[in-house]
Amino acid sequence: QTVVTQEPSLTVSPGGTVTLTCASSTGAVTSGYYPNWFQQKPGQAPRALIYSTSNKHSWTPARFSGSLLGGKAALTLSGVQPEDEAEYYCLLYYGGAQLVFGGGTKLTVL
Amino acid sequence: EVQLVESGGGVVQPGGSLRLSCAASGFTFDDYAMHWVRQAPGKGLEWVSLISGDGGSTYYADSVKGRFTISRDNSKNSLYLQMNSLRTEDTALYYCAKGYSYGSFDYWGQGTLVTVSS
Repeated sequence: QTVVTQEPSLTVSPGGTVTLTCASSTGAVTSGYYPNWFQQKPGQAPRALIYSTSNKHSWTPARFSGSLLGGKAALTLSGVQPEDEAEYYCLLYYGGAQLVFGGGTKLTVL
Repeated sequence: EVQLVESGGGVVQPGGSLRLSCAASGFTFDDYAMHWVRQAPGKGLEWVSLISGDGGSTYYADSVKGRFTISRDNSKNSLYLQMNSLRTEDTALYYCAKGYSYGSFDYWGQGTLVTVSS
């Protein structure tokens, strides 16, 4: 069974920079996994932020960026705002249209 | 404006069945794949199923394969999830999501809650 692993929790100060990562139990994450990132705030539906590693949706704030880092997918937030406090999920595509979410990272802005 | 509105959730006994619906508007429905994603109470997201824009291809997570069936009616701009042989572990908020680029989604509905309990 494929497992996608994220940091359970991270804390960042307002205005700071933080990087969330997304690892696959099958090995290095590449662009062929089409990494996606989603943000979910309590009581709300998830919101798409990043698709295909680094592409932003029209509503994605400029301070969010996606990349590949050390064999993992990564989401970097630069100049963190209080409203960025949320749960963040990555999603990887494994072929045969099998999609697997990571367990989520709870980001605290403190 | 893209809108996705799920319905059909409720309380069902283990072994029972339920059919979820998702009404879509604001985009050309048959141009896009559609997905179901679920979230158990207090837990993370789990991808459930995908259907192509023409309905000709369907895919499922191993956890629901053989029990759930995804379908769509492009004439009604609607997506469905027929859930049979329900288990307590199927209890979750079920979201429909619009496919975007390869292996991704952009818009999500607000979800419909399914509770499997005796």
